[in-house]
Amino acid sequence: GDSVTQMEGPVTLSEEAFLTINCTYTATGYPSLFWYVQYPGEGLQLLLKATKADDKGSNKGFEATYRKETTSFHLEKGSVQVSDSAVYFCALFSGGYNKLIFGAGTRLAVHP
Amino acid sequence: NAGVTQTPKFQVLKTGQSMTLQCAQDMNHEYMSWYRQDPGMGLRLIHYSVGAGITDQGEVPNGYNVSRSTTEDFPLRLLSAAPSQTSVYFCASSDLAGSYNEQFFGPGTRLTVL
Repeated sequence: GDSVTQMEGPVTLSEEAFLTINCTYTATGYPSLFWYVQYPGEGLQLLLKATKADDKGSNKGFEATYRKETTSFHLEKGSVQVSDSAVYFCALFSGGYNKLIFGAGTRLAVHP
Repeated sequence: NAGVTQTPKFQVLKTGQSMTLQCAQDMNHEYMSWYRQDPGMGLRLIHYSVGAGITDQGEVPNGYNVSRSTTEDFPLRLLSAAPSQTSVYFCASSDLAGSYNEQFFGPGTRLTVL
């Protein structure tokens, strides 16, 4: 079945460091891909999305490119801030099952 | 718009008790779902609904019931609570148009079963 694998955390960075969180997927067809973010004590919020191969989603300085050839959707940010500390979830929408399939989540901690 | 609302925010139950977690959305979304979040396991789908009167099971449906009598509401019922159901529960909704669905999440209910 469809699945999402993302790098284990926690990821600990200093402010202004470069961030990469790896995400790969297994799916039939061409799913839409998402990154959600969960700040402490809150629900999940959509961070960015891409709906077809080579699409680049971007928001708040974060970017991710839908790579069909490598079945990947890695999240990147050039310069992280303390306020980016959160848990990040990669997900795909499985249209055949009408459901969002999540990775396990990656906790990011950014220190001043 | 209030978006997706969930009540209660926190709940403590004893083993064997039953309860209903409430979820409501005011965006006229067709699709609603319940997830549970456990450490290191991401979010797992419990049940979902593609419209009023239509529900289906997700990955981990055992011990939970749902119904969808209106577009707005999608309650989750725990029939006989067990410690394994200690978790954070999230309700979500989305428009079913196409596969570009952004799911909107509620703030969550933290449930502890003793």
